Amino acid sequence: KQEVTQIPAALSVPEGENLVLNCSFTDSAIYNLQWFRQDPGKGLTSLLLIQSSQREQTSGRLNASLDKSSGRSTLYIAASQPGDSATYLCAVDSNYQLIWGAGTKLIIKP
Amino acid sequence: ETGVTQTPRHLVMGMTNKKSLKCEQHLGHNAMYWYKQSAKKPLELMFVYSLEERVENNSVPSRFSPECPNSSHLFLHLHTLQPEDSALYLCASSHLPGQATDTQYFGPGTRLTVL
Repeated sequence: KQEVTQIPAALSVPEGENLVLNCSFTDSAIYNLQWFRQDPGKGLTSLLLIQSSQREQTSGRLNASLDKSSGRSTLYIAASQPGDSATYLCAVDSNYQLIWGAGTKLIIKP
Repeated sequence: ETGVTQTPRHLVMGMTNKKSLKCEQHLGHNAMYWYKQSAKKPLELMFVYSLEERVENNSVPSRFSPECPNSSHLFLHLHTLQPEDSALYLCASSHLPGQATDTQYFGPGTRLTVL
């Protein structure tokens, strides 16, 4: 049974720092891995999708990597801004179903 | 705006009430989903509809009853709920599940409180 873990559960950093969020999964048989962002009281917004055959994807200041063999993904945020404050969720597409981590709550201090 | 709307945004109901949550997508997608999000727990997939047919029902209690009258609309009918059912209920849609590039678009959710 696929399980997804995100560490840390919460993170607070000063504005301008580069940071890394971690996601691990137990079964490497995945179709893709996705990172989402959730703002308080709102739904989820897709940030990046990495197909199982890919190693990384980039969008602006965000870079996500995937290492299927070790069951790990990282989301790198460069030059963090207060607007990046949100909960970041990782999900793996396993057997046509998204299996979710519990998220990392990120606070960027001005 | 993601193209997925949900109503109501907030709902308070007693255990004996019957209510319905509504979701509408304006993206031309073929699949729609209901998720439950409880505090500090991963999202739980409840139901999946693909081309208006239910393809997934993840051991959800019968007090939750989904309905998908067409590819743009999804309902979740609620009756005799329990306080532990209080959560954020999220609706999502996607083009076609099973494709390696398929991603889901979420509505803002309905915050449900059961008294």
